[in-house]
Amino acid sequence: AQKITQTQPGMFVQEKEAVTLDCTYDTSDQSYGLFWYKQPSSGEMIFLIYQGSYDEQNATEGRYSLNFQKARKSANLVISASQLGDSAMYFCAMREGEGTSYGKLTFGQGTILTVHP
Amino acid sequence: DTGVSQDPRHKITKRGQNVTFRCDPISEHNRLYWYRQTLGQGPEFLTYFQNEAQLEKSRLLSDRFSAERPKGSFSTLEIQRTEQGDSAMYLCATLSGGHNNEQFFGPGTRLTVL
Repeated sequence: AQKITQTQPGMFVQEKEAVTLDCTYDTSDQSYGLFWYKQPSSGEMIFLIYQGSYDEQNATEGRYSLNFQKARKSANLVISASQLGDSAMYFCAMREGEGTSYGKLTFGQGTILTVHP
Repeated sequence: DTGVSQDPRHKITKRGQNVTFRCDPISEHNRLYWYRQTLGQGPEFLTYFQNEAQLEKSRLLSDRFSAERPKGSFSTLEIQRTEQGDSAMYLCATLSGGHNNEQFFGPGTRLTVL
């Protein structure tokens, strides 16, 4: 069973508008972390934002915010005031539990975001 | 540059040849991960080191793959008898000890097997 699901292969947004990238996850662990990474065409993975399973407030990092709905197992990324440089592939990822696998990330399929001028 | 570095950035090889990639982590990071990313997909976990100990290997890591991290510093990933299906981006990431939550990724090595 897929643990991270990103249902939007591609998204388009007008410059300066907000966009939401969807992510749902599946885990039986009580402790887990959710991440969003940006991958431009150059290939590097850039960390954007993190949400812990016990965090009561939604995470925010500048123009990025994570809409965390634990009961629905969703962790959507909201990008406000989109910029042309936001055009990239975006990955949602999950780190499950503790123990020897601590830190291992499971990634979704990704969403390609295109920002139009 | 104090980030994660990988060498080479690109590798083109013929089927059947052996290749080796290197990852130099951020110096104080004791956990190191290798991932493989094929075109249009998310990265997939291959293996994980804590210091010099290889603690987990994915089923994706066939017998032709071997990874080492001598002395808990840099790591190497070797692929023997390469196949066309090995063509992918190989990403290295490191995580500091304690409760930091961010994995720092290197720029990756793009392998093309002809």
